Amino acid sequence: QKEVEQNSGPLSVPEGAIASLNCTYSDRGSQSFFWYRQYSGKSPELIMFIYSNGDKEDGRFTAQLNKASQYVSLLIRDSQPSDSATYLCAVTRGSARQLTFGSGTQLTVLP
Amino acid sequence: NAGVTQTPKFRILKIGQSMTLQCAQDMNHNYMYWYRQDPGMGLKLIYYSVGAGITDKGEVPNGYNVSRSTTEDFPLRLELAAPSQTSVYFCASSYGGGPDTGELFFGEGSRLTVL
Repeated sequence: QKEVEQNSGPLSVPEGAIASLNCTYSDRGSQSFFWYRQYSGKSPELIMFIYSNGDKEDGRFTAQLNKASQYVSLLIRDSQPSDSATYLCAVTRGSARQLTFGSGTQLTVLP
Repeated sequence: NAGVTQTPKFRILKIGQSMTLQCAQDMNHNYMYWYRQDPGMGLKLIYYSVGAGITDKGEVPNGYNVSRSTTEDFPLRLELAAPSQTSVYFCASSYGGGPDTGELFFGEGSRLTVL
């Protein structure tokens, strides 16, 4: 079992729709959970992080964490073509809080 | 504030050559990391450091070495380059701290091809 698993996609949604991205993790000792967006040929950029069970909202983005189910998700409301990118889920573990990344989900928002 | 600066951005190596990827940060972060990203894949941790003089292996350390003589710099050394090391390398830094911190700040990446 991979430490962090994501639906590989690709995922396509029409403009204005809700995009739902999912991630599961295997280590119950994982502390914090991050969503990064990566455009082709660019470095990852942080969208948001969550470390408590429940929902966390930031603009059009909502992260959801369920530690009992070892599941974290990202919802993108009112999806825009500019949201088209690869979304990386990452979890922290270890004393140096090193991140372990999933393989990413490629999202395409169709105009 | 330049953030995290990586050099070079592109490099082509021949099999068996060696080189150093440079990484510097000006945010006074204690934690620094090197990741590699193969096409269509996520990032895999090569080495990390929690402070000057302290380094440790990540998931895929074979074929690489690091040093951390200052807080600012964290170079990655490739010895005897192999085609399997063809990848994009990202250096990152972090303040560390509690569960509500730990955001990684990434450099722009170094694209390495070994032929």
